[in-house]
Amino acid sequence: NAGVTQTPKFRVLKTGQSMTLLCAQDMNHEYMYWYRQDPGMGLRLIHYSVGEGTTAKGEVPDGYNVSRLKKQNFLLGLESAAPSQTSVYFCASSRTGGGKYEQYFGPGTRLTVT
Amino acid sequence: DQQVKQNSPSLSVQEGRISILNCDYTNSMFDYFLWYKKYPAEGPTFLISISSIKDKNEDGRFTVFLNKSAKHLSLHIVPSQPGDSAVYFCAASTTDSWGKLQFGAGTQVVVTP
Repeated sequence: NAGVTQTPKFRVLKTGQSMTLLCAQDMNHEYMYWYRQDPGMGLRLIHYSVGEGTTAKGEVPDGYNVSRLKKQNFLLGLESAAPSQTSVYFCASSRTGGGKYEQYFGPGTRLTVT
Repeated sequence: DQQVKQNSPSLSVQEGRISILNCDYTNSMFDYFLWYKKYPAEGPTFLISISSIKDKNEDGRFTVFLNKSAKHLSLHIVPSQPGDSAVYFCAASTTDSWGKLQFGAGTQVVVTP
C-alpha cells in the first residue's frame, strides 16, 4: 500500500515550458487535491476534485490546469511555466470531504522555473 | 487574506518539557480544525483534529484545545521528544467546503536534548 505518490520528485523548467505533475493514490479515495507550499505561506489549494471526471478551482488556480480521468490519478499541468510557479507541490487525497476526514499527502514535487 | 494564522514561526523546547503551539483564525464558519506535522522532504502527516462542538481532544502526548469565542486553538505536546522536531501546520475547514483546508504558515519546532 503505497498511499499517495507523486512524479517527478524534482524538476527544473525554463520560463514558457510546459509540464505535467502526476499524483496517484491507491486508497480508493474520492477526493483529491493539489497544493503549493511557499516559504512563510503554508499550503495553498490550487485545484481539487470530488470524484472521477470532476475538477474545481481552489485558492490559487491561475496558470494551472488539472484532470481526473481515473479515480486514482490527479494530474496538474503547467502550460507555460513562470518563475512565480517555483514552489513545492503537494498532492493529497481523502475518503470524502467535510474536514473530519483527514487528507493524506504525497512526498511533494520541488519545481524550479528559471 | 490569510484566515488561519500561526504567529510564531519557530519554537525551541527542551526534551521532556511541554511544547505549546498556537493558531488563530478569522472565519467564524470554520467548524473543523486539524494539525499536521511535516518533516523535511516529506509530505505533511495528520496529527490530531477537533470539531467545533468540542473544546478539547487528546491523543497520547498530543492535546488540542479550542476556544471558539477567541477564535484560537493550541496544540500541547507533553512530554516533547527529539522526534517531535518538525514543522507543525494548523488547518481549518467548513462542513460545506468539500474538504478544502485553509493552512497556517507553520511553526518550526526544535526539541533540544
